[in-house]
Amino acid sequence: RKEVEQDPGPFNVPEGATVAFNCTYSNSASQSFFWYRQDCRKEPKLLMSVYSSGNEDGRFTAQLNRASQYISLLIRDSKLSDSATYLCVVNKDHAGNMLTFGGGTRLMVKP
Amino acid sequence: EPEVTQTPSHQVTQMGQEVILRCVPISNHLYFYWYRQILGQKVEFLVSFYNNEISEKSEIFDDQFSVERPDGSNFTLKIRSTKLEDSAMYFCASCGGRSYNEQFFGPGTRLTVL
Repeated sequence: RKEVEQDPGPFNVPEGATVAFNCTYSNSASQSFFWYRQDCRKEPKLLMSVYSSGNEDGRFTAQLNRASQYISLLIRDSKLSDSATYLCVVNKDHAGNMLTFGGGTRLMVKP
Repeated sequence: EPEVTQTPSHQVTQMGQEVILRCVPISNHLYFYWYRQILGQKVEFLVSFYNNEISEKSEIFDDQFSVERPDGSNFTLKIRSTKLEDSAMYFCASCGGRSYNEQFFGPGTRLTVL
């Protein structure tokens, strides 16, 4: 089983749509969870950390279900500029440890 | 806003040569990392560095690789005797400060081994 698994997509959605990505992780000892965004041939950029209580940042909402080892990202009111690959990332410890990346889910927002 | 910087942006080398990739982490950060991404594949961890020593490394990070923090600002990755399969994007990252567990990535160095 892959350590961090994501549907590669692509998800093709119209502007203004709501889209949700899911991710599962295999290491139950994982402590920290993140969503990164990666544009073509660019570096991963931190989108948001994911907390147990769930958290929201503008149009983006992240949820964590530790029992099911499942993380989600919801994007509301999609913009053309949201087109990118979204990377689900876990860290087995709170600091100083390696990040384990999923393969990413590609999103394409069309006019 | 402080950023991680990396040089060069693109490095082309012949198989068997040594390369040094350079990074300047965010200034108040204490943890430093190297990752690589082969074209079309996922980002993979290579090594983490804290308090002037390696704290963790992956299976990829064998004797061919080494890291160094030669002064208070630079963090380098040396790849000895490069192989064709070392061709990849190499990202440096750092964390620490207020968001102590959030890692911020540099723009990467694209290494091409011919």
